[in-house]
Amino acid sequence: RKEVEQDPGPFNVPEGATVAFNCTYSNSASQSFFWYRQDCRKEPKLLMSVYSSGNEDGRFTAQLNRASQYISLLIRDSKLSDSATYLCVVNDPGGYNKLIFGAGTRLAVHP
Amino acid sequence: DAMVIQNPRYQVTQFGKPVTLSCSQTLNHNVMYWYQQKSSQAPKLLFHYYDKDFNNEADTPDNFQSRRPNTSFCFLDIRSPGLGDAAMYLCATSSPGGASDTQYFGPGTRLTVL
Repeated sequence: RKEVEQDPGPFNVPEGATVAFNCTYSNSASQSFFWYRQDCRKEPKLLMSVYSSGNEDGRFTAQLNRASQYISLLIRDSKLSDSATYLCVVNDPGGYNKLIFGAGTRLAVHP
Repeated sequence: DAMVIQNPRYQVTQFGKPVTLSCSQTLNHNVMYWYQQKSSQAPKLLFHYYDKDFNNEADTPDNFQSRRPNTSFCFLDIRSPGLGDAAMYLCATSSPGGASDTQYFGPGTRLTVL
């Protein structure tokens, strides 16, 4: 079983759509959770941290369910510029300052 | 602006010819990481430094070595590149004790092995 699992997609959605990505992680001891965004052939960039109470940043909402070891990202009113791969990331509780990356979910927003 | 810089951005080498990739940072972060990322895969951690302490991942091949001469610079040496080593190599930094384990990535070096 992979440590961080994501649906690879691609998710093809029209502009303005709402899209949700899901992620599960295997180690219940993980304490830090993130969504990173990676554009084609570029580096990953932090999109947002995920907090236990859930958090929102503009059109982006992240949720965490520790009991189910499940993380989600909701994007509302999709823009063409949201097209990218979204990486679910958790800290490695067995390794100091180490992160475990999912393989990413690809999003394609079309006009 | 504080940042993570990688050079070169693109590197072409021949099978078996040693290559060195460079990373520098102006963030003054203690921890520096090297990842390998192949197409449609997650970044795979090769090793990281906490200050001068080197931490190798168990499955990192001996072909990959690293040096960190000072806080700002870190190098990835591939002693005898094989075709399977063609990938994007990402350097990242973090500062333990901060708000989270957030890592900041450089733009990457795309390695081609002929």
